[in-house]
Amino acid sequence: EIVLTQSPGTLSLSPGERATLSCRASQILTSNYLAWYQQKPGQAPRLLIYGASNRATGIPDRFSGSGSGTDFTLTISRLDPEDFAGYYCQQYGSLPLTFGGGTKVEIK
Amino acid sequence: QVQLLQSGPGLVKPSETLSLTCNVSGRSISSYYWSWIRQPAGKGLEWIGRIYTSGSTNYNPSLKSRVSLSLDTSKNQFSLRLTSVTAADTAVYYCAIDHGLLRGFDIWGQGTMVTVSS
Repeated sequence: EIVLTQSPGTLSLSPGERATLSCRASQILTSNYLAWYQQKPGQAPRLLIYGASNRATGIPDRFSGSGSGTDFTLTISRLDPEDFAGYYCQQYGSLPLTFGGGTKVEIK
Repeated sequence: QVQLLQSGPGLVKPSETLSLTCNVSGRSISSYYWSWIRQPAGKGLEWIGRIYTSGSTNYNPSLKSRVSLSLDTSKNQFSLRLTSVTAADTAVYYCAIDHGLLRGFDIWGQGTMVTVSS
């Protein structure tokens, strides 16, 4: 099983600041089969990024994904008030499918 | 517009079977994978398993002995059964469209809070 470790657990920032979230895999991810999701309280997760760097339909360009192999990053260039939420990475190239433990982006 | 609408009881007794259904509208169930994911309160996401249009399944080894997935193409819906539940199975359960190696889960159901308690 591929274990995904996200850091930090909590990120305290102000609106307009840049957020950098990390996801590290215990094994190399084949073809960068890594996705990022945003989840707000009481809601289902929303797909942001797939294939490590491809934005999903309707996702603003302030969200970007990068990385390869075992180290991946989600960057939010300028935090909008609606971006304060939980974020999860997920690998979909190897069974069982697994998620990281999540990063909470909170208002400082 | 594709929508997944979940249904099923929110309370299940210990040792009994949890059963949930996901109704798909706006897309035929005769394509893609269809997955179930769960999330205990305040915790992260755990993939339970998925079923393909052919009926083939993949399960998380941690739950494999207790899980079964099925799909009903005539009703355009798919279902989850989890047997011998305990308090540790208390969670929000989600269904989702699983695009396999293409892009993960892009459409999710609304979630069902299932509590295991007598």
